[in-house]
Amino acid sequence: EDQVTQSPEALRLQEGESSSLNCSYTVSGLRGLFWYRQDPGKGPEFLFTLYSAGEEKEKERLKATLTKKESFLHITAPKPEDSATYLCAVQADDYKLSFGAGTTVTVRA
Amino acid sequence: ETGVTQTPRHLVMGMTNKKSLKCEQHLGHNAMYWYKQSAKKPLELMFVYNFKEQTENNSVPSRFSPECPNSSHLFLHLHTLQPEDSALYLCASSRGAATGELFFGEGSRLTVL
Repeated sequence: EDQVTQSPEALRLQEGESSSLNCSYTVSGLRGLFWYRQDPGKGPEFLFTLYSAGEEKEKERLKATLTKKESFLHITAPKPEDSATYLCAVQADDYKLSFGAGTTVTVRA
Repeated sequence: ETGVTQTPRHLVMGMTNKKSLKCEQHLGHNAMYWYKQSAKKPLELMFVYNFKEQTENNSVPSRFSPECPNSSHLFLHLHTLQPEDSALYLCASSRGAATGELFFGEGSRLTVL
């Protein structure tokens, strides 16, 4: 059975304090790994797709990387507006999409 | 118009009521989804429609009944729900059912008394 585990569950950062979120996975043939951002009271918003180990994607202060067993979402010099829950999802060979439970990031000014 | 619109945003119902959730997408996508989100748990896929045809029913109890009249509209009919069904119900769409790049609505927060 495909599994996606995100850590930590919650992360409190000071503005400007860079950190990383982890998404580890076991899947029968990875077709893609996806990162989403979810603000309170809103639906998830798509951020990145990563397809193969070694791939990296960047958007503003966010950078996502992928290895054969895990993905990291690096937040560089975060601002309070980066506060959100970040979700990771993996798509297996059968196209099934499995989500992790998310990491809630709080950035204090 | 926003990409994926869900109504109502909040719903409180008794266990014997019948209600419906509505979803509309303005993105020209061919696939639509219902997900259930409970606190601190991963998103649970409920149903998938691709070109109006249901392609996945993830062992969802029959008290949840989906309807997809066309590629732009999706409904979730609710009847005789249980308190444990209280959750955020998210609708999503995508270009096709084979991609993991989903576009979500803001969700319908359901409370079952």
